[in-house]
Amino acid sequence: EPEVTQTPSHQVTQMGQEVILRCVPISNHLYFYWYRQILGQKVEFLVSFYNNEISEKSEIFDDQFSVERPDGSNFTLKIRSTKLEDSAMYFCASSEGANYGYTFGSGTRLTVV
Amino acid sequence: AQSVTQPDIHITVSEGASLELRCNYSYGATPYLFWYVQSPGQGLQLLLKYFSGDTLVQGIKGFEAEFKRSQSSFNLRKPSVHWSDAAEYFCAVGDSSYKLIFGSGTRLLVRP
Repeated sequence: EPEVTQTPSHQVTQMGQEVILRCVPISNHLYFYWYRQILGQKVEFLVSFYNNEISEKSEIFDDQFSVERPDGSNFTLKIRSTKLEDSAMYFCASSEGANYGYTFGSGTRLTVV
Repeated sequence: AQSVTQPDIHITVSEGASLELRCNYSYGATPYLFWYVQSPGQGLQLLLKYFSGDTLVQGIKGFEAEFKRSQSSFNLRKPSVHWSDAAEYFCAVGDSSYKLIFGSGTRLLVRP
């Protein structure tokens, strides 16, 4: 069964450093998403992306965050200057169409120290 | 605003016992409802979904859920729990722009 692949599975970074979380969506999917889950809290929507641009973003997704599809297969989330409160599990998801047929990746656990 | 409430943070059941995980939602229109499961180190796997029609929906791994509009609920059930069902379970509602709004999750522990 096709999978959404996320790398790395764990990342530890120092506060103020830039991090890039990588995702390889399913190849024929056109819609891409990032969600995050702070430990012990809800899974929260960050951003959706279609046709090489952001479709929607949450209030969490401030100027420190950016997304990119650099080469037609990867989908990345960049955090420019990490804060302690960015520590969370970040999930990438993709869907074939504008629907709820998401496939989620297994997540990247980001720890900011 | 849409929201999802899962009132039970943890539930412990014995293997072979029945299970019901509660979910209440707040949504103005007809909701699109989902249950996801997250096993340790794994992503979010879709168990089942409700869009319309029969209010009792069947999912994978022997799970089912019943949509009750009058109670704004979408509880997940399984008649006989297996040790491999130990995981975290998330209820979610889909909004009009295809975002998912999740509840805070219920961690299921299974006693041997």
